[in-house]
Amino acid sequence: AQTVTQSQPEMSVQEAETVTLSCTYDTSESNYYLFWYKQPPSRQMILVIRQEAYKQQNATENRFSVNFQKAAKSFSLKISDSQLGDTAMYFCAFMKRNSGYALNFGKGTSLLVTP
Amino acid sequence: DADVTQTPRNRITKTGKRIMLECSQTKGHDRMYWYRQDPGLGLRLIYYSFDVKDINKGEISDGYSVSRQAQAKFSLSLESAIPNQTALYFCATRRGASTEAFFGQGTRLTVV
Repeated sequence: AQTVTQSQPEMSVQEAETVTLSCTYDTSESNYYLFWYKQPPSRQMILVIRQEAYKQQNATENRFSVNFQKAAKSFSLKISDSQLGDTAMYFCAFMKRNSGYALNFGKGTSLLVTP
Repeated sequence: DADVTQTPRNRITKTGKRIMLECSQTKGHDRMYWYRQDPGLGLRLIYYSFDVKDINKGEISDGYSVSRQAQAKFSLSLESAIPNQTALYFCATRRGASTEAFFGQGTRLTVV
């Protein structure tokens, strides 16, 4: 079974600073997809960034980037120039082939951006 | 209007009652999923469906049932609600060839 571990239940960062959220996963598959989702207080699930395991290049979306270390099974999210609107719960997720390519989520990291 | 709509948004029900949560989508996606979110546990898969005739259990299906009435509609039922089913429930859809999932706004269910 695949597991996704987020070891930081809560984090805080000052506005304009950089923060890194950690995620590790366990799988025996060689081809898979990894995601970071953001859940603000509105509770909407918002896709932040996506990484395909067969691509060595780390994904980047504006201020959000990942450090994907396939051998170490690590997938961290870096948020640069943090903004107050980044305050949210962040979930790391793994897409697996069995269970119909459903998402397997970590327990989440609550990020607070302070002025 | 949202592409993936869940009704109701919030619901309080009593122990032992039957309740149905509904999900409808206008995206034309064939894959639909129900997840449950509990504080400190993330989201966990309850059921998923690839089309109207295909229903599959997820990791926490006990106490739940689903119905795929049409490609656009996927309902989750609690036959006899219990307090530990109090949670935030999400419906999600996905087109078969894509990895991007689209989520509804969530239904907060409280069982008292």
